[in-house]
Amino acid sequence: DTEVTQTPKHLVMGMTNKKSLKCEQHMGHRAMYWYKQKAKKPPELMFVYSYEKLSINESVPSRFSPECPNSSLLNLHLHALQPEDSALYLCASSQSIGPAEAFFGQGTRLTVV
Amino acid sequence: RKEVEQDPGPFNVPEGATVAFNCTYSNSASQSFFWYRQDCRKEPKLLMSVYSSGNEDGRFTAQLNRASQYISLLIRDSKLSDSATYLCVVNGEADKIIFGKGTRLHILP
Repeated sequence: DTEVTQTPKHLVMGMTNKKSLKCEQHMGHRAMYWYKQKAKKPPELMFVYSYEKLSINESVPSRFSPECPNSSLLNLHLHALQPEDSALYLCASSQSIGPAEAFFGQGTRLTVV
Repeated sequence: RKEVEQDPGPFNVPEGATVAFNCTYSNSASQSFFWYRQDCRKEPKLLMSVYSSGNEDGRFTAQLNRASQYISLLIRDSKLSDSATYLCVVNGEADKIIFGKGTRLHILP
């Protein structure tokens, strides 16, 4: 199983809503990532978890709140988002931080209205 | 100098031709390098890891030049299905994974 599964695939939410994005992998990977990708731009790193601990936060606004309940799961809690937060949110995992290939989920296409 | 730089293209190449892209990186301590492919509205997918000795996978060849701090991707006998954006990925400081902006490739029939 070399899959990273993200749900939902699409999400439309209002600026006052609270929602969560979910990511799951069963490859035994110990590093998991959240990226944000706008159209025609490369993915931008948001958060990195290593061994279930947050190791990198790229100065992401607090309206995005990551959570790693266990080594297979990664959540991104969303609250009070802005329309400019609309983007493709990609989860990735790798065996560890550092020299290791990262595998990406199909992403959640988020629209904030 | 940006951490990872790529020519955004687009590269418009006839089917069957050979095409090559380069990607330069600024952190001389970087240890791992990858090429990813991303189709429109899809997630990035690992195409190749780039090893110090270079590596080849079918029509694709990846090379690393540490002295000049660039990696390259060569595609031989290009197919229509090779049309995509090719993302260069380098591990940066604190083991962050840094993406280049990508090079768009269009293979023309």
